[in-house]
Amino acid sequence: EADIYQTPRYLVIGTGKKITLECSQTMGHDKMYWYQQDPGMELHLIHYSYGVNSTEKGDLSSESTVSRIRTEHFPLTLESARPSHTSQYLCASSSPETYQETQYFGPGTRLLVL
Amino acid sequence: AQTVTQSQPEMSVQEAETVTLSCTYDTSESDYYLFWYKQPPSRQMILVIRQEAYKQQNATENRFSVNFQKAAKSFSLKISDSQLGDAAMYFCAYRSADFGNEKLTFGTGTRLTIIP
Repeated sequence: EADIYQTPRYLVIGTGKKITLECSQTMGHDKMYWYQQDPGMELHLIHYSYGVNSTEKGDLSSESTVSRIRTEHFPLTLESARPSHTSQYLCASSSPETYQETQYFGPGTRLLVL
Repeated sequence: AQTVTQSQPEMSVQEAETVTLSCTYDTSESDYYLFWYKQPPSRQMILVIRQEAYKQQNATENRFSVNFQKAAKSFSLKISDSQLGDAAMYFCAYRSADFGNEKLTFGTGTRLTIIP
């Protein structure tokens, strides 16, 4: 199992609140990713980073933002949560040094916005 | 853009039997990687098996093996001697081999149920 962590695992919050989902990895991977996954559905890439101070938007448009100030940390922020943001958010990381640059996933954060 | 299709939303298999999950993909690239990921209920997504497109030999990992048909753009997963712990959502994923394009494209998943 890879050493990638996400907190909180579950979050129930009211509309309009600002939230930050944390993702940390201890493997020294330079690349990190955020995916959004609705229950029983496929994953969609919403953000990725190829290193410190590098962030890019993914294939699925998202109102969230990300930052990459430290290699091991890749937090995702929603400035004003809405019910449409209810979903599961998965963080992943990879490195050219891992075989075929395989992505390793965190346990996910299940977000419910009321 | 690449697409990945999993045409079986749900599958079930008797414990100790063999099951095959289907995956097809569409790409104009000649070099790429294919993956099968497993996501147990409320648990972490983990890699099951991976295949390099330029390798003709099918990948195997213990009870898991793939049937990679490059010309047909097919990448099925065979699970032998199914166990209760194999129950999960299985996702097929594609990644380009191009440097700087390491994003994964996922299929919609197949929910596998193991019948005791």
